[in-house]
Parts: sequence; C-alpha cells; structure tokens
Amino acid sequence: RKEVEQDPGPFNVPEGATVAFNCTYSNSASQSFFWYRQDCRKEPKLLMSVYSSGNEDGRFTAQLNRASQYISLLIRDSKLSDSATYLCVVAGGGSYIPTFGRGTSLIVHP
Amino acid sequence: SQTIHQWPATLVQPVGSPLSLECTVEGTSNPNLYWYRQAAGRGLQLLFYSVGIGQISSEVPQNLSASRPQDRQFILSSKKLLLSDSGFYLCAWNSGSTIETQYFGPGTRLLVL
Repeated sequence: RKEVEQDPGPFNVPEGATVAFNCTYSNSASQSFFWYRQDCRKEPKLLMSVYSSGNEDGRFTAQLNRASQYISLLIRDSKLSDSATYLCVVAGGGSYIPTFGRGTSLIVHP
Repeated sequence: SQTIHQWPATLVQPVGSPLSLECTVEGTSNPNLYWYRQAAGRGLQLLFYSVGIGQISSEVPQNLSASRPQDRQFILSSKKLLLSDSGFYLCAWNSGSTIETQYFGPGTRLLVL
C-alpha cells in the first residue's frame, strides 16, 4: 500500500463549481498535513496546512479525519486560475521526511 | 524573508556527461535541505536530504550524489548521466523539524539526450 494516495484525476469542472479532493495516508501516527499546488512546469507551492479542527482560507477548506486516515480539500466557486495539480503531503510519526502524494489534476473550464 | 535559488533553470546534456546542480537558500540559518526529482507526469521522488553541513542522507541509490559544502548550499552531482536522469529537479528547504512546511526552489529542468 502506498503511503499517501490520491486520485490522479483529472477533475474537469466548470467555473463556479465546488470540487473536493481526498487523500489517504497509511501511517496512523502522522503528525503534519499539507496541501500544495503545482502549476504546469513550476515548483510546488504551499496552499495550506491542515489542522485537526479543519481550517478555511477563502474559497479553500481543508479537513483532517484521523480515524479514517484521510485529508480533504474543498474548493468552492472554482476559478479558471484554480487549474493545477494539488499535492497532498503527510509527515511525522516516525517518518522524518514529508511524503508527497502524486497529485490530483484539476481543470476548470469556462 | 527567505528565498531559495536554483541554477541553471534548464539544461540539456549528453548521456555520459557530468552534472552539477546548485541550490542556495538566503535569509535563514541551518536549514534542512532536500533534492527531489519529478519525471514527466510523475510524483516527487526524494533523492537526498541534509540536516546540516556535511550530513547527507540518500533515499534512492543511483548514479547521483549530493554535497553540502556550506550551511545554505546544496549541490546535486553525477559523474555520468543516464537517459533516465531526465526530469525536473527541485530543491527545497525547511527549518526546525524536518516535518515542517517545505519551500521549493524554481527547479532545474534537465534533458539528457
């Protein structure tokens, strides 16, 4: 079983839609969770950290479910500029190095 | 504020030639440093990481090596490139614990022909 798994997509949605991505992780002792965004041919950039109580940043909401070992990212009112690959990252719990998922591709069309 | 630089931005090299990619971080001390490779359409593969000068941990045995000659400098090298070394090489840093947020440089796109 892979340590961090994501549906590669692509998720193809119209502008204004709400879209959600899930990411599952195998290490139940993991401590840190993040979502990164990677544009085509660019470096990954931190989108948001994921806190136990869940957190929101504008149109983006991240949630953590420790019991089921997954994190989620919800994007409301999708914009064309949201088109990118979204990477899930998990760290801690004996693994000193963050583990990246392979990413979920989002395409927002007019 | 902290910044991370990588060069060159792009590189085309023949098979069997040597490689040297450089990464430097400004605005912080004793960062943890990382080298990743991302092949076309693939995820990030951790190659090396370093928690201090002269300390290198290798995650994947291959024909690449890394060095950290100075606190904020991380170098990725190869004596003889293979076709399979083509990819997008990313340097990243974080501070404190290695499980903290990582920040990436702009990357080097390497094509081995």
